Amino acid sequence: DVKVTQSSRYLVKRTGEKVFLECVQDMDHENMFWYRQDPGLGLRLIYFSYDVKMKEKGDIPEGYSVSREKKERFSLILESASTNQTSMYLCASRTRQALGYTFGSGTRLTVV
Amino acid sequence: GDSVTQMEGPVTLSEEAFLTINCTYTATGYPSLFWYVQYPGEGLQLLLKATKADDKGSNKGFEATYRKETTSFHLEKGSVQVSDSAVYFCALSDAGNNRKLIWGLGTSLAVNP
Repeated sequence: DVKVTQSSRYLVKRTGEKVFLECVQDMDHENMFWYRQDPGLGLRLIYFSYDVKMKEKGDIPEGYSVSREKKERFSLILESASTNQTSMYLCASRTRQALGYTFGSGTRLTVV
Repeated sequence: GDSVTQMEGPVTLSEEAFLTINCTYTATGYPSLFWYVQYPGEGLQLLLKATKADDKGSNKGFEATYRKETTSFHLEKGSVQVSDSAVYFCALSDAGNNRKLIWGLGTSLAVNP
């Protein structure tokens, strides 16, 4: 089975900190995605990457950046964490040909 | 642009009741359609999918039929269990926009014993 691993299940950070959320997949998937999930707002796409060193903005990229230096790893960076970035963050991946995504278990980030 | 609309929750049912969660979509092309499930504290898992009109996706007792004439993909299960308590997301694959998934807002289901 494809596995998408997010490095932390729960994270608490202080306002203004630089935060790194890591996502690793083990099946050579080209495409990777970062979402945030908030009550009543569903899933919102932050950034996605079609291949190594490629990245594109999703619907809500402000306050975030990403890095994809290796095919298996897609990092989400909060440049200066703020309380409104408290959320559940979900990483997903798929092959170039696939339609559906495989998701990680999520990281629940709290910014205090 | 393409969009997905799901019935609002929460939905509360007793065990063994019949479940329907409505999903309708708007798309310019011929999208593929998906249902994902999110159990408490977990990420999303693919539940079922359909790639063309009149296809029926099924898994774990859940079914959904791709109805092009009504632009719908309603999720059904004949007899729900407590373990089906989760949030259910309908999504479409936007063929014209790099095939990114477009998501509904999710429907929370609680099944009581």
